[in-house]
Amino acid sequence: GQNIDQPTEMTATEGAIVQINCTYQTSGFNGLFWYQQHAGEAPTFLSYNVLDGLEEKGRFSSFLSRSKGYSYLLLKELQMKDSASYLCAVRESAGNNRKLIWGLGTSLAVNP
Amino acid sequence: GAVVSQHPSRVICKSGTSVKIECRSLDFQATTMFWYRQFPKQSLMLMATSNEGSKATYEQGVEKDKFLINHASLTLSTLTVTSAHPEDSSFYICSAGGTGRGEQYFGPGTRLTVT
Repeated sequence: GQNIDQPTEMTATEGAIVQINCTYQTSGFNGLFWYQQHAGEAPTFLSYNVLDGLEEKGRFSSFLSRSKGYSYLLLKELQMKDSASYLCAVRESAGNNRKLIWGLGTSLAVNP
Repeated sequence: GAVVSQHPSRVICKSGTSVKIECRSLDFQATTMFWYRQFPKQSLMLMATSNEGSKATYEQGVEKDKFLINHASLTLSTLTVTSAHPEDSSFYICSAGGTGRGEQYFGPGTRLTVT
C-alpha cells in the first residue's frame, strides 16, 4: 500500500535549524516533493528530489535516500514566517500521470 | 511562471444550490489538473484528476454526480458542487502540472460555505 509518514508537529526557535523527516512506502517512485502551506492558504512548492543526495535552495535544503525510503527538509536560520505546515509528497509513476501521494503534513511553530 | 488562478476565492451559498469553481493556468498549458479538498487542520485530500478532453478520474469515495469536473481547455478546469449541503463546506484547491518533474502548482483556493 501507499504510506507517507511525517511528524505531526514540531517546535523550534527563531534563528535555529530544524529538520523535518518524511518516510515513504509507495508502489513506485518518481520523485519526492516538499511544499509549504501557511494557514488558510494553498501550498507552495519548495523542493524536488529524484536522485539520492542533498538539494540546497537558500535557507531550505532537502535530502533523499531512495534505498531507505527517506527524505528530510532542513530549514536554516529560522524566521517567524516559517511557521507553517510542511507537506511531503511522492510521485509514484512517470509519464502523464502527475498524481502525488501526500503526507498529512508537519505543523512547524517557530517561537521567538 | 507557473501561475494558477482560482475563482471565486470565497463563496457562500444556500443548501441545495450549485456552485462552480474555476481553475486556470495563466502562463502554461496543463493537460492535467487536480482538485483537492481540505478541512480545517487536516491535510489535502485529492478528489479527482481532471484531464483535458476526457473524463475526470475520481478518487474512491468521491461522488462523481455531486462534484462535476469539466476540463474544457488546456488552461481551464471547473469544479461544480451540485446540490451543496453544509457538510460540503470546505477549502477547495486546484493544482496544475508544471514541468516534466511532476510538481504541482496550486491555485489560491476557494473557501466554500454552505448555509
